[in-house]
This record gives sequence, structure tokens and C-alpha cells, in this order.
Amino acid sequence: AQSVTQLGSHVSVSEGALVLLRCNYSSSVPPYLFWYVQYPNQGLQLLLKYTTGATLVKGINGFEAEFKKSETSFHLTKPSAHMSDAAEYFCAVSPNTGNQFYFGTGTSLTVIP
Amino acid sequence: DGGITQSPKYLFRKEGQNVTLSCEQNLNHDAMYWYRQDPGQGLRLIYYSQIVNDFQKGDIAEGYSVSREKKESFPLTVTSAQKNPTAFYLCASSADSGRANYGYTFGSGTRLTVV
Repeated sequence: AQSVTQLGSHVSVSEGALVLLRCNYSSSVPPYLFWYVQYPNQGLQLLLKYTTGATLVKGINGFEAEFKKSETSFHLTKPSAHMSDAAEYFCAVSPNTGNQFYFGTGTSLTVIP
Repeated sequence: DGGITQSPKYLFRKEGQNVTLSCEQNLNHDAMYWYRQDPGQGLRLIYYSQIVNDFQKGDIAEGYSVSREKKESFPLTVTSAQKNPTAFYLCASSADSGRANYGYTFGSGTRLTVV
């Protein structure tokens, strides 16, 4: 069975500082991996995804994530936080067969001016 | 522009009342999903449908019902049997019911409150 763990339900960073949001998954085979962002009272928007190929994936708004099979991780990073990055971030995984998604419990990012 | 439309954005339900949340997509996606979101619990799957006239229970289907009579529409009814319906409800769709590598497209959600 798949599961997703997001370490830290709340993360605070200063504006201009590095953003690091952690995601680990459990799976017997490498799954498809996704990061979504959710602004208050809105749906989820896809930030980036890893399916195959290059393990460093670039997404929208300057975010990127690296798939590390040996660590079963898919951490999300951004070199310099902006006030507009304040939101809830969800990591999701899906087995590479079938169409079921498994979401983490989310990390709320606060950006301090 | 293609997308998913959920309505209404806010909904108030009285005790013992059934309410229906609308979800419409014009993306020509095969699969559609309903999730419930509660603070600190992430997203939990209620129902999903991979094809018209077929749907499957998710992890928390009790007290909910769905229909999929058209490819574009996947309404969710919250019945009086759902004892704690206050939550944010998200509808999603995906292009290929057999593979998840496309990811999901989400609607903007409906916030349901019991009064």
C-alpha cells in the first residue's frame, strides 16, 4: 500500500530565504510523484510532477523537487521565498499503474516579511 | 478555457437535510473524483468514477452518494446519514482512467456548513 508523509505541518520562513518542504513515500516500486499548492478557499493547483526521466523536476513559480529513490523522498524547494508563496502544499503519490492518488496531510507555509 | 466548475462555493445545510454539490468539467476527462478536506487531515477520497454509469467507493463513502450519468458531470449528495458533513469538498478529474501520470485537475471547492 502507498503512503505519504509530509514532515512538518507548519513551516515558517523569512522572505528571501530557502523554502524546503519534505515529502517521503512508501512504495515497493517508484511511483508517480506530485506537489500541489492550495491557496485559501481554493482548489489544488499542480506545481510539478515526476513520472520518469530526470530526477530533478522544475515546476511553476520557481519551485523544484528532486526524486531520490534511495531515500524514498521528493522534497520541494525554492531558493528564495516570496510573500505570495504562503499557502498549503500537498505531496501526492500514485502507483505507476492505476489511477489512485494518495495525498499527504499537507504543510502550511508562512512567509515572514 | 477548459476546467472544472464546482457550485455553489458556499452551502449551508440544516440537520437532517440532503444537499447536492455540483461538479462539471469540460476537459473531456474520463475519470472524476470527490475528496473531503478537513483541517490537518489532508484529502480523503469519497467516491470516484472512471467511466460513465460506473463509480466506486473511496475511503469515506458512508453518508454520501454520487451519480455519473454524463461524462461531464459528477454530482455528490451529502445525505442526512453523514453525521459530520461540515468540510471543504473538492472535485477533481484526470485524463486517463488507467494511468495517473497526468495528475489531477481540481475544482475550486465547495465549503459546506451545517447550521
